[in-house]
Amino acid sequence: DAGVIQSPRHEVTEMGQEVTLRCKPISGHNSLFWYRQTMMRGLELLIYFNNNVPIDDSGMPEDRFSAKMPNASFSTLKIQPSEPRDSAVYFCASSRSGAPYEQYFGPGTRLTVT
Amino acid sequence: AQTVTQSQPEMSVQEAETVTLSCTYDTSESDYYLFWYKQPPSRQMILVIRQEAYKQQNATENRFSVNFQKAAKSFSLKISDSQLGDAAMYFCAYRDLGTSYGKLTFGQGTILTVHP
Repeated sequence: DAGVIQSPRHEVTEMGQEVTLRCKPISGHNSLFWYRQTMMRGLELLIYFNNNVPIDDSGMPEDRFSAKMPNASFSTLKIQPSEPRDSAVYFCASSRSGAPYEQYFGPGTRLTVT
Repeated sequence: AQTVTQSQPEMSVQEAETVTLSCTYDTSESDYYLFWYKQPPSRQMILVIRQEAYKQQNATENRFSVNFQKAAKSFSLKISDSQLGDAAMYFCAYRDLGTSYGKLTFGQGTILTVHP
């Protein structure tokens, strides 16, 4: 199994630009999660999907953030416009709906907004 | 709401020694899962071990074992024969079996340093 795939691994952009992060979950997993990790706030859950449907987006910091899951094998997290405080590592994770329930994480995307 | 607390921001251990990382959680549920994840400097989140709440037997994976105390809502991780490669941030996580669709609640993490 290829594991969760994220792209790009690193992204450097200027304030005000649009940023799109991509995720391919593990085949057969029907739940997908987007996290953000910073030194100040630790690991935060932004949004999660079940069977491609957004279940809870209460962790999305503001309207500049949006996420989609058009099919079972692809999801995007978009930031428009980006700001320096969005600089963080963004993780995507997936899991099955049944036991044993653990989430498998992608390698993360390190985003730097200058 | 469920909460997970890791009270040790940092821990250190000598190579080949044993170290225990603490985790407590708060829940009103009776069925749930608990996990320990490891995040080395590569930043990849790696599952170390999981525990089902309905199992009284503590989970073990090679040098990693847990001490699960359900009544006390405690879930500590013991690393035996510590190796330099064990140096990482360790996260405790909780998942209930309700309608959360697999959502995990993470603790704040504990940074483990292994001294040669």
